[in-house]
Amino acid sequence: EAQVTQNPRYLITVTGKKLTVTCSQNMNHEYMSWYRQDPGLGLRQIYYSMNVEVTDKGDVPEGYKVSRKEKRNFPLILESPSPNQTSLYFCASSFLADIKETQYFGPGTRLLVL
Amino acid sequence: SQQGEEDPQALSIQEGENATMNCSYKTSINNLQWYRQNSGRGLVHLILIRSNEREKHSGRLRVTLDTSKKSSSLLITASRAADTASYFCARAHRGGSEKLVFGKGTKLTVNP
Repeated sequence: EAQVTQNPRYLITVTGKKLTVTCSQNMNHEYMSWYRQDPGLGLRQIYYSMNVEVTDKGDVPEGYKVSRKEKRNFPLILESPSPNQTSLYFCASSFLADIKETQYFGPGTRLLVL
Repeated sequence: SQQGEEDPQALSIQEGENATMNCSYKTSINNLQWYRQNSGRGLVHLILIRSNEREKHSGRLRVTLDTSKKSSSLLITASRAADTASYFCARAHRGGSEKLVFGKGTKLTVNP
């Protein structure tokens, strides 16, 4: 089944404790992206990647890192999480030609930083 | 800001009624898309309308686009309880970066 998977789905952590949220897609998509969703603010893009070893900042990159060593994986790293990073996070992917046409979303990771 | 407005923020209707959601934007677009999100889940692509199209249908969904008013509407006809979800419009703007700009969404509740 074609899908985008994220792990973990739920995470409670404490300020300053490094964490990684994994994202994997099995559709051979070149483009992958991370969003955060907050009440009243909608979805905001954190980072995106056009292909392996190519990453770029989105609208709200502060406090986050990403890497794209393999085409299928795009982990989101919070080196020193803070409470303002409590949010619902989504990974999405698409073919390069479809970035502005259709994106496929993962199920989301709900993060609480205490 | 490229973000536009969606209205209403929340909509509650009875099963069988039609639901209309609106999306406005500020800069020229290549296309506009509507996504659905069930509570706490990922977004699912519903329908795309291009800037040179005025209306598009998909099952019980009807999308209109008025580029002169920079607005779009999503109509769900004969709504069902299973349509309860949040609906987002996403714009692909002309030129600029390769990304979609999402609105804040309309939360639709369909009461049985």
